[in-house]
Amino acid sequence: DIQMTQSPSSLSASVGDRVTITCQASQDISNYLNWYQQKPGKAPKLLIYDASNLETGVPSRFSGSKSGTDFTFTISSLQPEDIATYYCQHYDTLPRFTFGPGTRVDIK
Amino acid sequence: QVQLVESGGGVVQPGRSLRLSCAASGFTFSNYGMHWVRQAPGKGLEWVAVIWYDGNKKFYADSVKGRFTISKDNSKNMLYLQMNSLRAEDTAVYYCTRDRRRAADYWGQGTLVTVSS
Repeated sequence: DIQMTQSPSSLSASVGDRVTITCQASQDISNYLNWYQQKPGKAPKLLIYDASNLETGVPSRFSGSKSGTDFTFTISSLQPEDIATYYCQHYDTLPRFTFGPGTRVDIK
Repeated sequence: QVQLVESGGGVVQPGRSLRLSCAASGFTFSNYGMHWVRQAPGKGLEWVAVIWYDGNKKFYADSVKGRFTISKDNSKNMLYLQMNSLRAEDTAVYYCTRDRRRAADYWGQGTLVTVSS
């Protein structure tokens, strides 16, 4: 089974900072990776699909990219409303989902 | 607009059964596969099961295989999760989600299942 690792597990940054989260797959997963935001007490929300495509209605400060088996999620300028836990998620062809362990983002 | 509304959660004793429901509206339900995803208290997201758009194929996480059954009734726009032989480690918020090209693009609000004696 493919394993997903995510780093860091948590981070604290100032408003306006650039924030980067990395997700690594245990083997090549092509672009089969999505990113979600989950605010406390709420359901997750899809932000990025297929590694780098911005979901409709999601602010452009959010972005995703891929390099080899590493995937990067970036918030270009952190806003107070971005406080949340972010998850990467791999999918296979069945489709079964595998979520990363999550990254908690706080304001410094 | 797309809406997914889960129901059926509650407190249940270990070894007992529970059926979750998810009412879908605002889209052509028969055209979409659907997933159940759960989240134990204070923990991350765990995928539980998927069912294809026509209900003909179903896949499960190893942790629930043989105990849980996913189904959908396209005539009623309903998704179900039958959970048998429940264990303490099944305690979680259960979300139903819509599959759009292998992404969960819409989520319900979740329903809490607590397995405890």
